[in-house]
Amino acid sequence: GIQVEQSPPDLILQEGANSTLRCNFSDSVNNLQWFHQNPWGQLINLFYIPSGTKQNGRLSATTVATERYSLLYISSSQTTDSGVYFCAVSPKTSYDKVIFGPGTSLSVIP
Amino acid sequence: DAGITQSPRHKVTETGTPVTLRCHQTENHRYMYWYRQDPGHGLRLIHYSYGVKDTDKGEVSDGYSVSRSKTEDFLLTLESATSSQTSVYFCAISSHNEQFFGPGTRLTVL
Repeated sequence: GIQVEQSPPDLILQEGANSTLRCNFSDSVNNLQWFHQNPWGQLINLFYIPSGTKQNGRLSATTVATERYSLLYISSSQTTDSGVYFCAVSPKTSYDKVIFGPGTSLSVIP
Repeated sequence: DAGITQSPRHKVTETGTPVTLRCHQTENHRYMYWYRQDPGHGLRLIHYSYGVKDTDKGEVSDGYSVSRSKTEDFLLTLESATSSQTSVYFCAISSHNEQFFGPGTRLTVL
């Protein structure tokens, strides 16, 4: 089945710094989403982005479907950005299913 | 807010006992999903449903069964709980190809 990789696995940032998180996937996908899991365990939708670029405040995302990767940019990081960021994809061959990457754990320190 | 609730939110049980987790949605979505989240594994799909009485297996379905007799409810059953099923269980719905998650159920099997 499709493989989803995320890098880096862990990241520590000083408040105010910028970062880029990457998601690679091994096969064609119908859908791609980015989620943030906060320290209380809640999963929050960030972007639904099967292709192209979107921005929402300090966060933006770009998916290049033909090259099988997506990037999540966090600018001017804040302590509330801490948590785990997941990429999730729906393979073209089994579009009903959603496969998650292992996540990037982000800690933003004051 | 996608109107998803899970019950119970926390449960402690003993090995060998049956356990049923409930996911309830209020917005008539066709697709519903059950995931488990474990350290080092991210979120893994257990089962999903694409309509009343229509279900299919995910990556880690062994030891679990599901039922969906009404659009709004998706039940996950552990027929005979084992310690390896200690985990956090998340329910999700899909709306226009985008997934939204419930708050999770923390299950401990002693």
